[in-house]
Amino acid sequence: QQQVKQSPQSLIVQKGGISIINCAYENTAFDYFPWYQQFPGKGPALLIAIRPDVSEKKEGRFTISFNKSAKQFSLHIMDSQPGDSATYFCAATIQGAQKLVFGQGTRLTINP
Amino acid sequence: GAVVSQHPSRVICKSGTSVKIECRSLDFQATTMFWYRQFPKKSLMLMATSNEGSKATYEQGVEKDKFLINHASLTLSTLTVTSAHPEDSSFYICSARELNGGIADTQYFGPGTRLTVL
Repeated sequence: QQQVKQSPQSLIVQKGGISIINCAYENTAFDYFPWYQQFPGKGPALLIAIRPDVSEKKEGRFTISFNKSAKQFSLHIMDSQPGDSATYFCAATIQGAQKLVFGQGTRLTINP
Repeated sequence: GAVVSQHPSRVICKSGTSVKIECRSLDFQATTMFWYRQFPKKSLMLMATSNEGSKATYEQGVEKDKFLINHASLTLSTLTVTSAHPEDSSFYICSARELNGGIADTQYFGPGTRLTVL
């Protein structure tokens, strides 16, 4: 019940296209959902995060869509660029519980 | 803001030696820091949660006598890999949770330390 399932494992998108990464969770107590971007040999960097009281959050080309009833959330990268090529991790946590539960990661490749 | 540093970024050591990795929050105070281990092409595996001034809480299966964690101040936590063996070779990443600031429960990650044990 603590798991966060992420898909796809890898994704190839053409430059200018939309990249979509999906995550699903079981624990309805989760109330904070961040996305992290990780480049090879580097630590993860916080990209965008959402709470379950909103269905969508947009920051620049990055959008999180959240479906509370389905217990799913997704990351959309609009106008994908080669510089977006990285591994993306979704995560979930219960505020105050401290621990982040990570998805398995998605390796995104944007072809020029 | 919210920068976390790690030192060293890369370390190579002989089997049987101990290695210390430092994690610092540069522009904020962190009552809680976390240590993760990441294998190639895998997700992050939480090893332990470190609270300033108290003993670390280790995840199941993590040997606390092998991975010593100290969180002596609000900006510094250290991970010491004792009697390192080749199977300890990995990418170690720390994160820090900002104290009373920013978005609650936001963890900021360090750049990671690549440990290679020969």
